[in-house]
Amino acid sequence: EVQLVESGGGLVQPGGSLRLSCAASGFPFSTYWMHWVRQAPGKGLVWVSRINTDGSNTVYVDSVKGRFTISRDNAKNTLYLQMNSLRAEDTAVYYCASGTPVTRGAFDIWGPGTGVTVSS
Amino acid sequence: DIQMTQSPSSLSASVGDRVTITCRASQDISNSLAWYQQKSGKVPKLLIYAASTLQSGVPSRFSGSGSGTDFTLTISSLQPEDVATYYCQKYNSAPRTFGQGTKVEI
Repeated sequence: EVQLVESGGGLVQPGGSLRLSCAASGFPFSTYWMHWVRQAPGKGLVWVSRINTDGSNTVYVDSVKGRFTISRDNAKNTLYLQMNSLRAEDTAVYYCASGTPVTRGAFDIWGPGTGVTVSS
Repeated sequence: DIQMTQSPSSLSASVGDRVTITCRASQDISNSLAWYQQKSGKVPKLLIYAASTLQSGVPSRFSGSGSGTDFTLTISSLQPEDVATYYCQKYNSAPRTFGQGTKVEI
């Protein structure tokens, strides 16, 4: 079964750090570009970051540039999002997502999400 | 960066109605446009990719059209289970921007 499962979310103070993980199974993880998408409470979907297959190329939405780092460990079939200098506006459910070759990159694989709350 | 603008932001329709949601890209994205459905408290679900290709398992009452900058998602006969928020997304290049969403109610 194709599956993504996020972990690592929680409550953190402003200025703090968290590392999210996304464990993949059921598909050839090392050959897929991977993404993080977030959704603040009651708000819409926001694409956050993307990493290519070997981790050599990464892209970020402007609001997280310089603070978040996406990475992957293909030996462990795991995607990461290191989040530093967290702000209240980073409070959201964070999803990892990917697209199979059939959908040409549209996201047909989603994890259940992990919640991040930035508050003092 | 390319912006994605959906309209309307919300709509209310009756069961059996034909519903149309539009999505406009600020630059040409060819047909690299996806539509997602997100029910309350649930994970987004891919409905349509490549602007008009129905994802496997999605009911045929959903359809997509358009290319370039203007796209449409149509529900031919609205059903109670279609109550959700719908998002478009460009995926030709990063950033893979989503539209702001359209909430569909009955």
